[in-house]
Amino acid sequence: EPEVTQTPSHQVTQMGQEVILRCVPISNHLYFYWYRQILGQKVEFLVSFYNNEISEKSEIFDDQFSVERPDGSNFTLKIRSTKLEDSAMYFCASSSSALAVNSYEQYFGPGTRLTVT
Amino acid sequence: AQSVTQPDIHITVSEGASLELRCNYSYGATPYLFWYVQSPGQGLQLLLKYFSGDTLVQGIKGFEAEFKRSQSSFNLRKPSVHWSDAAEYFCAVDGGGYNKLIFGAGTRLAVHP
Repeated sequence: EPEVTQTPSHQVTQMGQEVILRCVPISNHLYFYWYRQILGQKVEFLVSFYNNEISEKSEIFDDQFSVERPDGSNFTLKIRSTKLEDSAMYFCASSSSALAVNSYEQYFGPGTRLTVT
Repeated sequence: AQSVTQPDIHITVSEGASLELRCNYSYGATPYLFWYVQSPGQGLQLLLKYFSGDTLVQGIKGFEAEFKRSQSSFNLRKPSVHWSDAAEYFCAVDGGGYNKLIFGAGTRLAVHP
């Protein structure tokens, strides 16, 4: 069964450093998402991406964050200058169709745990 | 704004017992509702979803959920829990806009043998 993969599974970085979290969505999917979950808190939406541009972003997704689909298979989340409060589990997801279509489903990767020290 | 509340942070049940996980939502129109499960080290897996029609929806792994508009609820049920059901369960609602999901805080289920 096709699945979303994410690398690395765990990333430790120092405050102020740039990190890139990588995701390989399911191959025929068109919509891509990033979510994060700070330990003990809710899973929060960060950004959605379609047709090579951001469709929507949350207030969390400030200028320190960016997303890119550099080739036909990868989808990346970059944090330019990490802060302690960026420590969280980051989930990538993808879907083949838009909401309101009965076959709609977001498929999630296993997550990357980011620890900022 | 849309929101989801899962009142129970932890639930412990005995294997073979029935299970009900609660979910309440806040949404201005007819919502699209989802239940996801997360096992340790795994991503979020969709158990079931409600878009429209029959308010009792069946999902994978023997789970079902009932949409009750009058109570703004979408509770997840299973008649007989297996030890492998121990995991964290998330209720979610569509957040409007471009397909984002709004999640509840999750309920961690432990299953005693």
